[in-house]
Amino acid sequence: DGGITQSPKYLFRKEGQNVTLSCEQNLNHDAMYWYRQDPGQGLRLIYYSQIVNDFQKGDIAEGYSVSREKKESFPLTVTSAQKNPTAFYLCASRPGQGSYEQYFGPGTRLTVT
Amino acid sequence: GQQVMQIPQYQHVQEGEDFTTYCNSSTTLSNIQWYKQRPGGHPVFLIQLVKSGEVKKQKRLTFQFGEAKKNSSLHITATQTTDVGTYFCAGFNRGSRGSTLGRLYFGRGTQLTVWP
Repeated sequence: DGGITQSPKYLFRKEGQNVTLSCEQNLNHDAMYWYRQDPGQGLRLIYYSQIVNDFQKGDIAEGYSVSREKKESFPLTVTSAQKNPTAFYLCASRPGQGSYEQYFGPGTRLTVT
Repeated sequence: GQQVMQIPQYQHVQEGEDFTTYCNSSTTLSNIQWYKQRPGGHPVFLIQLVKSGEVKKQKRLTFQFGEAKKNSSLHITATQTTDVGTYFCAGFNRGSRGSTLGRLYFGRGTQLTVWP
């Protein structure tokens, strides 16, 4: 069963703690993306990676970090430096050259108190 | 930087009425995509438009890409309760090699509510 998985669906953390969100895909897609969604804000790009061991900052990268050690995995760490981390986080992937549509995972809803 | 504006932010219609959402980019796009996100769900790819002036239809949904490749619209004829959700446009700009390569610029979305 191919697709993108994100875990967990809901995550609760105390302020000041780093937390890592998981994103895995078995679609053999080259590119992967992390978005943040807040009510009324649409989708804002945090980081993206087009090949293994390479990634670029998106529009709101401050307070976040990523790694791309394997093609199928693109974990996102929300650090304690992120001022307002409570949000819905979506991971997506794209097949690669010549194919531009993105496929989204089910998302992780992070609440930091 | 590049921006994609989308209006309206909210639209409430009675079942059977038509619905349109509009998208405008500050720059010429290589292509534009449309996604639908149901309440509590994740965005799902609907369609991609590539050519200037392109029009595509999916049942009751009609998608248009402007002649200048800077604007687009999604029109739903005779809405149904199953159309409820947020519709996003997303522009892809190949640009020159650099940070714009391989990313989409999403509009803020139009949240559609349909009254039975």
